[in-house]
Amino acid sequence: DTAVSQTPKYLVTQMGNDKSIKCEQNLGHDTMYWYKQDSKKFLKIMFSYNNKELIINETVPNRFSPKSPDKAHLNLHINSLELGDSAVYFCASSQVGGRQFFGPGTRLTVL
Amino acid sequence: DAKTTQPTSMDCAEGRAANLPCNHSTISGNEYVYWYRQIHSQGPQYIIHGLKNNETNEMASLIITEDRKSSTLILPHATLRDTAVYYCIVRVLGSGNTGKLIFGQGTTLQVKP
Repeated sequence: DTAVSQTPKYLVTQMGNDKSIKCEQNLGHDTMYWYKQDSKKFLKIMFSYNNKELIINETVPNRFSPKSPDKAHLNLHINSLELGDSAVYFCASSQVGGRQFFGPGTRLTVL
Repeated sequence: DAKTTQPTSMDCAEGRAANLPCNHSTISGNEYVYWYRQIHSQGPQYIIHGLKNNETNEMASLIITEDRKSSTLILPHATLRDTAVYYCIVRVLGSGNTGKLIFGQGTTLQVKP
């Protein structure tokens, strides 16, 4: 059983398009996160939601909008995609303050 | 959250113990030491965490110095599948904690046959 799943695994799109990445966790966790790993392999937190409420927003451009329809889902919508958005995006979940479980990642390529 | 310093890369022979050091000289009293690893292109994986006592689980052991300014992750019998980037992270645990993990560059461990 997959604990944290993301779709799609790969996403190739043109500059200027709008795209979404979906994340689901079946661990019953209260908190979910989005991280971005750039080409230099640095992993950086983007957002965190606790019980559908935004608790971390790390100065991410407002073209990025997370949406949490329920505790088990945290989707990431990106408007007007730019070349610099190309990266691997990881979703994670945890109990409050607990260890985080990461999804397999979504590799986004913007052409 | 306090900052950590790790060697950029290390090699280890298969079957031998891998000892990965981490310096966290500015760690606060309520900050835990966490270790995660990232096997090529996969999501990071939790390994172990501790506050001041040494910890052991099925994956690894964590040795924290008495002054808590440094720690060592030990993989007792490294296999080729342990080749990964290992991240040492310090963070506050529990309520009031935003939960974010601040990843540094990590240590790339190469296990060789």
